[in-house]
Amino acid sequence: TQLLEQSPQFLSIQEGENLTVYCNSSSVFSSLQWYRQEPGEGPVLLVTVVTGGEVKKLKRLTFQFGDARKDSSLHITAAQPGDTGLYLCAATMNSGYSTLTFGKGTMLLVSP
Amino acid sequence: GAGVSQTPSNKVTEKGKYVELRCDPISGHTALYWYRQSLGQGPEFLIYFQGTGAADDSGLPNDRFFAVRPEGSVSTLKIQRTERGDSAVYLCASSVDRTGTQYFGPGTRLLVL
Repeated sequence: TQLLEQSPQFLSIQEGENLTVYCNSSSVFSSLQWYRQEPGEGPVLLVTVVTGGEVKKLKRLTFQFGDARKDSSLHITAAQPGDTGLYLCAATMNSGYSTLTFGKGTMLLVSP
Repeated sequence: GAGVSQTPSNKVTEKGKYVELRCDPISGHTALYWYRQSLGQGPEFLIYFQGTGAADDSGLPNDRFFAVRPEGSVSTLKIQRTERGDSAVYLCASSVDRTGTQYFGPGTRLLVL
C-alpha cells in the first residue's frame, strides 16, 4: 500500500490549460513538500507546507495543504511547455529529521 | 556554489558484480540521504547520515547494500553481488542539518545485466 497516493498518474494537456494534481494519504504529516523532476535530473523542491489549510503561491502554481494535514493539491494556471515534468509530493513523518516518503508522482506533458 | 554531485552518472554492470556509487554533498551540509528511484516510481529512502554516522539505515533492502561517510562529507553507496532488480536511479541529497531542505543530485543510473 502506497503511503502517498498521487493522481492522476499521467496528464497530457495543451498550453494555456489549467490543471490540478492531488496527493492523498490516511496519515497525518508534520510537513508536505512538492518537487518537480525533469528527465535525467534529481527532484527540485517547489514548496513546503506545514500548517493545515495553508495555501502557498509560486507564480502560476498554487499549493494547498488540507486542514487535517493528510492531503495536498497543486494547481497550475495557464500551463506552459516548460512546466512539463514529474511532479512528486513527499512527506516527513518524523519531525526529528527530514527523511522523505514520496508518492509515485504525476507525469505532466504540456504541448505547445 | 556547487550543488550535489554524483558519480558515475551511468553504470552498467553484470549480475553478481560489486559496484560503488559516490555522492559529493554541498559543502558544509551535515545531513546526507540516499534514495532509490525505480522506473515509474517516486524515490524510496535508503539511508540517512548525520555527520559520519548512519542515523537511520532502515531503508536498505538487504545486507548486500552498505553505505559509508567516513569524514562526514563524501559518501559511498556499495552494492555487493548485484541483481537485476537493483537496476534503478540512485539519488543522493544533502541538507544543512537534520531538518533542513534536501537538495538532490542528478543521480546515478545503474543497470544490472
